[in-house]
Amino acid sequence: AQSVSQHNHHVILSEAASLELGCNYSCGGTVNLFWYVQYPGQHLQLLLKYFSGDPLVKGIKGFEAEFIKSKFSFNLRKPSVQWSDTAEYFCAVNSADSWGKLQFGAGTQVVVTP
Amino acid sequence: GAGVSQSPSNKVTEKGKDVELRCDPISGHTALYWYRQSLGQGLEFLIYFQGNSAPDKSGLPSDRFSAERTGGSVSTLTIQRTQQEDSAVYLCASTPTRTDTQYFGPGTRLTVL
Repeated sequence: AQSVSQHNHHVILSEAASLELGCNYSCGGTVNLFWYVQYPGQHLQLLLKYFSGDPLVKGIKGFEAEFIKSKFSFNLRKPSVQWSDTAEYFCAVNSADSWGKLQFGAGTQVVVTP
Repeated sequence: GAGVSQSPSNKVTEKGKDVELRCDPISGHTALYWYRQSLGQGLEFLIYFQGNSAPDKSGLPSDRFSAERTGGSVSTLTIQRTQQEDSAVYLCASTPTRTDTQYFGPGTRLTVL
């Protein structure tokens, strides 16, 4: 069964700092990869996704992620964070043997200080 | 357009009572999913419906949990004889097809006293 590992549970950084959140999944084969974000008091929203093609994907709000198949990784990056990026970030994967089931990582709580 | 809606937004119940949670997917979306978000467990898949196919119930934690989808649209998640460990936020999502991006509703926060 697929599992997803997020490397950091809690990240605190200052505005304008760069952010990188790690995500690794366990099983190979054809996968779809997602990063979702949950802002305080709001519901899960899609940041970006990878289905196929260019492994460097760009999402909303200046976020990007790189799919590295050989490392089973899909790390999220943002060069310069803002206070409004304070949120919880979830990596998620579904795969060809169970497209309907999104497997989520445990989430990373990101706090950006002014 | 309208997103996924869920009701109620909050539900407080007593241990042992039954509860029903409702999800209205995005119009035209054929696939519907239920997840649970709880402290310590993160986001867990519960069940999904795809068109007229039999639902995948493999994530339901016990036989106290059931779900149905009427008319290929609205879905109800029922928890019988609720326990305190059922306290969580129950999330619904929908997609046009099962391989597409899942769009989430705001969730129902269930508290079992």
